[in-house]
Amino acid sequence: QKEVEQDPGPLSVPEGAIVSLNCTYSNSAFQYFMWYRQYSRKGPELLMYTYSSGNKEDGRFTAQVDKSSKYISLFIRDSQPSDSATYLCAIGTGRRALTFGSGTRLQVQP
Amino acid sequence: NAGVTQTPKFQVLKTGQSMTLQCAQDMNHEYMSWYRQDPGMGLRLIHYSVGAGITDQGEVPNGYNVSRSTTEDFPLRLLSAAPSQTSVYFCASSYSWTGTNTGELFFGEGSRLTVL
Repeated sequence: QKEVEQDPGPLSVPEGAIVSLNCTYSNSAFQYFMWYRQYSRKGPELLMYTYSSGNKEDGRFTAQVDKSSKYISLFIRDSQPSDSATYLCAIGTGRRALTFGSGTRLQVQP
Repeated sequence: NAGVTQTPKFQVLKTGQSMTLQCAQDMNHEYMSWYRQDPGMGLRLIHYSVGAGITDQGEVPNGYNVSRSTTEDFPLRLLSAAPSQTSVYFCASSYSWTGTNTGELFFGEGSRLTVL
């Protein structure tokens, strides 16, 4: 079993839809939770991060962490075609010990 | 600022050949690292460095060497390329993790390597 599991998709939604992206993890010692966005043929860029359970909101994006269930989510409201990318969760005990999910490819149709 | 710059962007090698992937950053980051990205596998850490003269192994170090002679540069060397090393390689850097910053990794645009 992988330490971090992420549904690879692809996920196709119409413009304006609410998108839910998820990862599960197995190591209860993990305390850093991040979401990276990767456009085609580009490097990943940090989108959201949190170090605790609960919700964190930034514009149209909300990151949610449930440590008791070892489950994290990224919600995108009012999705736009420019949100079309691969979303990678990254979970770990520190920068040198981050485990990345395999990524979920999202396509937002205009 | 250019950020993290990787060269070459594309490379085709034959089995057994050697080559070096270059990585340079102009953000004065102490931490630099190399990842490989394969379909269905996510990003896996190859080697990392916390400062000039200091390097250490990550999750998948076999077949790769690194050195860090300056803060700016962190080259990745493939000594004898194998088809299993066909992948997209990303260099990433960040500030020292003090516990008060995010430890955000800044990635280059990647180097696509094919080993025949």
